[in-house]
Amino acid sequence: QSALTQPRSVSGSPGQSVTISCTGTSTDVGGYKYVSWYQQHPGKAPKLIIYDVTKRPSGVPDRFSGSKSGNTASLTISGLQAEDEAGYYCCSYAGSHTYVFGTGTEVTVL
Amino acid sequence: EVQLVQSGAEVKKPGESLKISCKGSGYSFSNYWIGWVRQTPGKGLEWMGIIYPDDSDTTYSPSFQGQVTMSADKSISTAYLQWSSLKASDTAMYYCARRSSGHDYFFDYWGQGTLVTVSS
Repeated sequence: QSALTQPRSVSGSPGQSVTISCTGTSTDVGGYKYVSWYQQHPGKAPKLIIYDVTKRPSGVPDRFSGSKSGNTASLTISGLQAEDEAGYYCCSYAGSHTYVFGTGTEVTVL
Repeated sequence: EVQLVQSGAEVKKPGESLKISCKGSGYSFSNYWIGWVRQTPGKGLEWMGIIYPDDSDTTYSPSFQGQVTMSADKSISTAYLQWSSLKASDTAMYYCARRSSGHDYFFDYWGQGTLVTVSS
């Protein structure tokens, strides 16, 4: 059960869009519609921002969106804001009550 | 309001035992899976395992099977993560998280984390 692969870092200017990829295999990302994304600010617990690949919990801004194609899921942050600077982790269900997280991506707002 | 409140930071020596806790409130604790997640300093999140408090059904990540024990006491709405013999490599932040209901497969509420430091 290897970690899902994410870019180590991405950056963008305020107002721009950034996309974070999350690559797994057919036994996790590709095999289920259960990819979730978590935002983590320094010293804080992770916070759910996307679930079931594309759904946003109540209270999460609509500038956060998710998608999936094959074994790769993606998180797009549109209209980047200073408060979006944080770590982002994908997570996929992998069957039989197991889960796997991504390696994590640091988003920097220039 | 759903809350998961974890026990405080711990400093232990290698070889010592430890049990940390995660107390749920604001929902029916027995009926939601609780997952445990490790975060090593400066590193990412690792899924350790998950437990269903109602019957203590537990699944461990292969990476953590045999290294830790998960348990739960539904009478006091508390889940536990324990080690019988700590190693320096167990130094990390540990989070508990509630898996959302029914056929949902994501973690909607998280504890504040418990920092475990293992050092001689």
